[in-house]
Amino acid sequence: EAEVAQSPRYKITEKSQAVAFWCDPISGHATLYWYRQILGQGPELLVQFQDESVVDDSQLPKDRFSAERLKGVDSTLKIQPAELGDSAMYLCASSLRGGSGLNTQYFGPGTRLTVL
Amino acid sequence: GQQVMQIPQYQHVQEGEDFTTYCNSSTTLSNIQWYKQRPGGHPVFLIQLVKSGEVKKQKRLTFQFGEAKKNSSLHITATQTTDVGTYFCAGRRGNKLVFGAGTILRVKS
Repeated sequence: EAEVAQSPRYKITEKSQAVAFWCDPISGHATLYWYRQILGQGPELLVQFQDESVVDDSQLPKDRFSAERLKGVDSTLKIQPAELGDSAMYLCASSLRGGSGLNTQYFGPGTRLTVL
Repeated sequence: GQQVMQIPQYQHVQEGEDFTTYCNSSTTLSNIQWYKQRPGGHPVFLIQLVKSGEVKKQKRLTFQFGEAKKNSSLHITATQTTDVGTYFCAGRRGNKLVFGAGTILRVKS
């Protein structure tokens, strides 16, 4: 069964350093999502791509976070500089398409970030 | 912050007992999805409800969508240890899926 791939699975960094996470969605999925999940809370959408275009980045802290999906397939989420409050699980998900129809989101295993 | 409220935060039941988690939104949702996240795992899609008053069943799990499309519930009959995890509802507003904080279910055998 096809899965969403993410790397690395774990990342420990010091504050003010730069970190990058990678996501490879399920083949054929046009929509890709990056979520942040703080311990004890539900996933919070950071950015949503439809193919290579950003359709929603309203919750992305743009002063330090950036995301790209240049060829409309895999995606990278970057944080620079990392802050202590960025410690969380970063989840990538993909779906066949976005919109309000039936578009099941399939989540990857996540990258757990710890900022020291 | 979270705009979809979910209760309870945590429930610890004896194996064989029933379990229910509730999800409430202040605004009408176009649909609602439910996910399960096992400890140390990632959210896995369970079901989507679209119609007002819709009820769907998956074996021991029963999902309901309120008439006003502002609330939903997940009921598990006769819990088993394999039901352990966090259950999230996620309401759709426009193109965005907004997750609740989840209900953690623990099952004592």
